[in-house]
Amino acid sequence: SYELTQPLSVSVALGQTARITCGGNNIGSKNVHWYQQKPGQAPVLVIYRDSNRPSGIPERFSGSNSGNTATLTISRAQAGDEADYYCQVWDSSTAHVVFGGGTKLTVL
Amino acid sequence: QVQLVESGGGLVKPGGSLRLSCAASGFTFSDYYMSWIRQAPGKGLEWVSYISSSGSTIYYADSVKGRFTISRDNAKNSLYLQMNSLRAEDTAVYYCARGYSSSWFDYWGQGTLVTVSS
Repeated sequence: SYELTQPLSVSVALGQTARITCGGNNIGSKNVHWYQQKPGQAPVLVIYRDSNRPSGIPERFSGSNSGNTATLTISRAQAGDEADYYCQVWDSSTAHVVFGGGTKLTVL
Repeated sequence: QVQLVESGGGLVKPGGSLRLSCAASGFTFSDYYMSWIRQAPGKGLEWVSYISSSGSTIYYADSVKGRFTISRDNAKNSLYLQMNSLRAEDTAVYYCARGYSSSWFDYWGQGTLVTVSS
């Protein structure tokens, strides 16, 4: 089955750029989606189809996907960006939705 | 505005059954795929099942296949998850989510907690 690998945690200084990776075999051939989840809340879609932002998501959030790694980039990180972030793909070979294990972002 | 409200969670003994419901509003329910996604306490997200807009296509995670059944009633704007033969490892918050085709999930409910314990 297809697997997505994320770092357990990423730290970023206030106002700097955070990059959260999502690794998978030839993930560049798939559409990758990203979710933000704050404690006690439901996940929120922040990036879909690799690099598209839903309405209401700040331009500071961007995404890219190539080769074996997809990346969520958060520019000018704010305290309010502290959350868990999950990547997700659709694995057509098994007809399964796959989530990465999640990355906890800490803003210092 | 889009709203998804789950209900039906609670405490159930191992081997027991539970039926979750998700009431949808603010959009044309019959136009969208829907999914159930769960999150065990302190753990990550785990996809459970999804159903196409008409209900004709259904997929399950291997961990629940044969025990859980997803269904929908487009006339009632409702999504369901029948959970049988429940195990301790099924303990989680269960979210219903609106799917864009079989791809991403653009709206999520607030979740309902299912606890399987004797």
